[in-house]
Amino acid sequence: DTAVSQTPKYLVTQMGNDKSIKCEQNLGHDTMYWYKQDSKKFLKIMFSYNNKELIINETVPNRFSPKSPDKAHLNLHINSLELGDSAVYFCASSPSFLPYEQYFGPGTRLTVT
Amino acid sequence: AQSVSQHNHHVILSEAASLELGCNYSYGGTVNLFWYVQYPGQHLQLLLKYFSGDPLVKGIKGFEAEFIKSKFSFNLRKPSVQWSDTAEYFCAVTSQTGANNLFFGTGTRLTVIP
Repeated sequence: DTAVSQTPKYLVTQMGNDKSIKCEQNLGHDTMYWYKQDSKKFLKIMFSYNNKELIINETVPNRFSPKSPDKAHLNLHINSLELGDSAVYFCASSPSFLPYEQYFGPGTRLTVT
Repeated sequence: AQSVSQHNHHVILSEAASLELGCNYSYGGTVNLFWYVQYPGQHLQLLLKYFSGDPLVKGIKGFEAEFIKSKFSFNLRKPSVQWSDTAEYFCAVTSQTGANNLFFGTGTRLTVIP
């Protein structure tokens, strides 16, 4: 069984559209994260949720809205997509928000045309 | 603010050569250190981590890293690389206090030539 899964794996859409990426973990972890990897492979955290509550919100445009219906899921909704949103988005999880290793999902490659 | 520097952008080695990838971090407090690997088309996997104790840590697939506090460094090493080690390598740091917010370096692409 996949520990951290994301859907879809690839997402191609036009500017101005709204899209969602889903993430699920079956590790029983309390904390989940979203990272963005740009075209130069640089990884930067966007959000982190602990037990469905937001604990980190880096400087991300308001068009990005994470939603955590339960502690096993953290979805990312993006409104009014822009060209600069094209990237690979990784979901991750860890046992708690305290320092620990994180387990990453396979990534979602978003291409905005 | 925390930051991580990986000075080698792209390293090309022949099989059986030794590897050392540099990682330096900037942070005033106590940190946890990680090396992650991303094989082509795959997700990030943890290679090794340092939280405390012996500064020489061993990871999977024959990799090791040494934490040198005075140099703010956590370099990754492998005595003999294989073609299957071709991947992107990321150094990352979190604070030992506060939220588990991973700060990544820009990555080093390793290409191993058979």
